[in-house]
Amino acid sequence: DVKVTQSSRYLVKRTGEKVFLECVQDMDHENMFWYRQDPGLGLRLIYFSYDVKMKEKGDIPEGYSVSREKKERFSLILESASTNQTSMYLCATSTRTTDEQYFGPGTRLTVT
Amino acid sequence: QKEVEQNSGPLSVPEGAIASLNCTYSDRGSQSFFWYRQYSGKSPELIMFIYSNGDKEDGRFTAQLNKASQYVSLLIRDSQPSDSATYLCAALNSGYSTLTFGKGTMLLVSP
Repeated sequence: DVKVTQSSRYLVKRTGEKVFLECVQDMDHENMFWYRQDPGLGLRLIYFSYDVKMKEKGDIPEGYSVSREKKERFSLILESASTNQTSMYLCATSTRTTDEQYFGPGTRLTVT
Repeated sequence: QKEVEQNSGPLSVPEGAIASLNCTYSDRGSQSFFWYRQYSGKSPELIMFIYSNGDKEDGRFTAQLNKASQYVSLLIRDSQPSDSATYLCAALNSGYSTLTFGKGTMLLVSP
């Protein structure tokens, strides 16, 4: 079974703080993705990575950056958290051959 | 802008009935489609994928794909209250390994 873990289930941060969300997978998947999910807006892709040190912008990259220094780990960084970044953040992984994405448990981030 | 459209629901069915969930997609180049189930407060869980026109069955679930009509559906036979969840349809974007997700259909199965 694919195991995708995320560093925190719940996180509360203040406006202006730098926030790190980590995702770790143990299945040697090449592709990793960060989404946010908001009521009425669905799942939206923030950034993705096809390989170590590679990153691609998704549909809503503004205000976020990412880092992938090791194959199994993909970090999402909020440089200066704002209240409109309060959301559920979901990490997912997939292989190059099948494209089925498997999700981590999610991090519910609240920015006050 | 690639889109996947789903009726938000809720779709209410009695226990034991067939639930039919539908989605349409805009990217004519999409070749692969995925159905996820998401319980409230949880992350999406992959339940089925389909690549070819026609039907694909897995237990109580059947996925149907019609590329000419750009239409994907999921049938759940013998629906159970534990099937109550939001079902997300996703299409693989042509030329990429990214998915475009619909906003989901909420299914309620009453005992």
